[in-house]
Amino acid sequence: EDQVTQSPEALRLQEGESSSLNCSYTVSGLRGLFWYRQDPGKGPEFLFTLYSAGEEKEKERLKATLTKKESFLHITAPKPEDSATYLCAVGSSRFNKFYFGSGTKLNVKP
Amino acid sequence: KAGVTQTPRYLIKTRGQQVTLSCSPISGHRSVSWYQQTPGQGLQFLFEYFSETQRNKGNFPGRFSGRQFSNSRSEMNVSTLELGDSALYLCASSLDGTGGNTIYFGEGSWLTVV
Repeated sequence: EDQVTQSPEALRLQEGESSSLNCSYTVSGLRGLFWYRQDPGKGPEFLFTLYSAGEEKEKERLKATLTKKESFLHITAPKPEDSATYLCAVGSSRFNKFYFGSGTKLNVKP
Repeated sequence: KAGVTQTPRYLIKTRGQQVTLSCSPISGHRSVSWYQQTPGQGLQFLFEYFSETQRNKGNFPGRFSGRQFSNSRSEMNVSTLELGDSALYLCASSLDGTGGNTIYFGEGSWLTVV
């Protein structure tokens, strides 16, 4: 069954405490893997697209990596403003469908 | 470059009424998809339109419908509203809706059914 699983569901960090969020997938025909940030009451904001295993993308304190079965979103020295829900999605060549994970809710305390 | 625009942002409807939500995609994007987001269910796919044709459909009852116009703008309609339809409705656009093109979301329309 095609699905995307994110872990942990929730993560509490102290400011400056680096960590990683995981997105594992069992989707056939991967065309792209996407990371989004969503603040309460708003639409998801695009962060990164990864297309092939071994690819990495960086933006400020965030770095996304991709393997054949999972992706990681590494957060280095997070700040309170990084608190949000982070969503992962996989685009499949089968029926051109997108599969979303249920998200990781990150809370960074000062 | 303007992003995905959704209107209205907030609305309150009574059970049994119907509602129409509107979405203007990013210029040049021909694929528009709709999602329902609730705290307990996460993002649920409603349908996707490309060049005025519905290409994909999620597992929602027939009360949920949509359409796309020749300028790629899209509307979704929910008839005979139920309390459980209260949710954030998100529109997303991409160049062609294939799995390799990034989809960009609007801010959403908050629907409350009372």
